[in-house]
Amino acid sequence: DTGVSQDPRHKITKRGQNVTFRCDPISEHNRLYWYRQTLGQGPEFLTYFQNEAQLEKSRLLSDRFSAERPKGSFSTLEIQRTEQGDSAMYLCASSPDGTGHEQFFGPGTRLTVL
Amino acid sequence: KNQVEQSPQSLIILEGKNCTLQCNYTVSPFSNLRWYKQDTGRGPVSLTIMTFSENTKSNGRYTATLDADTKQSSLHITASQLSDSASYICVVSELQGAQKLVFGQGTRLTINP
Repeated sequence: DTGVSQDPRHKITKRGQNVTFRCDPISEHNRLYWYRQTLGQGPEFLTYFQNEAQLEKSRLLSDRFSAERPKGSFSTLEIQRTEQGDSAMYLCASSPDGTGHEQFFGPGTRLTVL
Repeated sequence: KNQVEQSPQSLIILEGKNCTLQCNYTVSPFSNLRWYKQDTGRGPVSLTIMTFSENTKSNGRYTATLDADTKQSSLHITASQLSDSASYICVVSELQGAQKLVFGQGTRLTINP
């Protein structure tokens, strides 16, 4: 499968715990995006990488959230001290460099914070 | 205020019927406008993508239109099938910077037999 993959697909955690999600983009794609989607809403932008550089972060990304893409390939999104409001689907997308390219989405990680 | 508004929020039609979903946006300037289909619990999948200079784009039974003057788009589904049941999301890609996607809240479409 050469699409975007995410791991895990589902995560249930207790409030206050830390969680980490992984995204593997399509191999030749330089751009990587993280989005968050709550129930009944469209996804919202969280952050964006161009290769290993994190170039833009949304105000939604509080200081409990951190994202990395150390080698410009896979990316991780960590949430520290999870809160119930963090419960959502976390989507990763990748695209080639340049203007107007399609962003290909992974299947998402569904986080439930109890 | 959301920069991409969709209507209706939900729609139920019978199999075989046609339907049209609406999208109004305020994102400007934009690179392109896309319609995505999202099945429950899955990531969005692109249906159509149009630049500001394009008026219409078809993909099988899906036809999207774009009026950049009025900042409106529509997605028309012809001869609906049960597998069309999903959320349909209108998305505008910013022109500059990260070119991040700005999503509407989606229209939940249910096709009944």
